Amino acid sequence: DTGVSQDPRHKITKRGQNVTFRCDPISEHNRLYWYRQTLGQGPEFLTYFQNEAQLEKSRLLSDRFSAERPKGSFSTLEIQRTEQGDSAMYLCASSSDGFGEKLFFGSGTQLSVL
Amino acid sequence: GESVGLHLPTLSVQEGDNSIINCAYSNSASDYFIWYKQESGKGPQFIIDIRSNMDKRQGQRVTVLLNKTVKHLSLQIAATQPGDSAVYFCAENIGGGSYIPTFGRGTSLIVHP
Repeated sequence: DTGVSQDPRHKITKRGQNVTFRCDPISEHNRLYWYRQTLGQGPEFLTYFQNEAQLEKSRLLSDRFSAERPKGSFSTLEIQRTEQGDSAMYLCASSSDGFGEKLFFGSGTQLSVL
Repeated sequence: GESVGLHLPTLSVQEGDNSIINCAYSNSASDYFIWYKQESGKGPQFIIDIRSNMDKRQGQRVTVLLNKTVKHLSLQIAATQPGDSAVYFCAENIGGGSYIPTFGRGTSLIVHP
């Protein structure tokens, strides 16, 4: 399967702990996105990479959030000092110049902060 | 606030009926619109898209209509099947070099056998 993969699928953590999620995009896609989704809502944009460059970050992305995409391949999203309000589904998507803004999403990482 | 929204949070239809899911957008600069389907436990899946220079686009059993005058978008699903049960999102892109779709809240489609 050559779709977008995310790891882990589920993460339960205690408040104050750090967590890291990984996303492997479709191999030829140069754009990579992170979105956050809470129950009953649409995905909210967090950040976006073009190759290894992080081009945009949402105001939703507090200083506790950091994302990287070394070498323009996989990406990681780290949340430091997690809070209960961080509980959500974290979605990764990728796209390429050929597809424009059509995003291909992974199945997400469901984070629960206790 | 959100610039993309849906009129009905839940739509229930009988199998075989046609379904229409509506979406309003407020940003007149948006030039590209996408419909996604999201099943439980999965990420959104692309269904169909349309650019602002078009009024209508058809796919397999799906049609998207765009009315720029009233900033309205709709997704029509013909002969709805139980497998179509999911949450449907419209997303808009402002263009001008921005490649970041903004999603609305979504409509839950329930298809009864």
